[in-house]
Amino acid sequence: GENVEQHPSTLSVQEGDSAVIKCTYSDSASNYFPWYKQELGKRPQLIIDIRSNVGEKKDQRIAVTLNKTAKHFSLHITETQPEDSAVYFCAASIDFGNEKLTFGTGTRLTIIP
Amino acid sequence: GAVVSQHPSWVICKSGTSVKIECRSLDFQATTMFWYRQFPKQSLMLMATSNEGSKATYEQGVEKDKFLINHASLTLSTLTVTSAHPEDSSFYICSARESTGGNTIYFGEGSWLTVV
Repeated sequence: GENVEQHPSTLSVQEGDSAVIKCTYSDSASNYFPWYKQELGKRPQLIIDIRSNVGEKKDQRIAVTLNKTAKHFSLHITETQPEDSAVYFCAASIDFGNEKLTFGTGTRLTIIP
Repeated sequence: GAVVSQHPSWVICKSGTSVKIECRSLDFQATTMFWYRQFPKQSLMLMATSNEGSKATYEQGVEKDKFLINHASLTLSTLTVTSAHPEDSSFYICSARESTGGNTIYFGEGSWLTVV
């Protein structure tokens, strides 16, 4: 089955700087890679996703890059703000039918004012 | 985006009793829903895949007789924790794939279960 590894587990960044979180996956059949933001005790919120037919996707301050050959993908947050502080999870799935998501272990991001 | 609703948000039950958690897709039909468990400061661990009109598919190590899943309609799946014990205390969260608007997976609000 799919195995997703995520690094780092914790990340502290000065407000205004950029944050990068990296994930690797094992199943070459995976072709859908979402990123979720979770605040304490709340549901994960989808913040951006990418499918394997593209190498990069951007939405305002958030971008995701995908390297299918190396089987890794990354989340980039620029101009970080205190409200970006949360736990971020990457995930991988086969984007067909009702295939399940496999989650990474999460990154606790703290933005230092 | 699509909405997935989960109820209850919080539940406290006595050890040995059973508790039911509901997961509803409010504005779309979901033939498949997923149930996760999340312990504090840990990732979401998939427990089972709930299939409408058929038996759920459980992940390795998850007791199907303890965590009963019923997916009787295209908008509702239930998870029943039977004979609950304190070690079952956790955050349980469901998700459903919205297949018409982009195949995105949406999560319910989650349910905090405390077994005393």
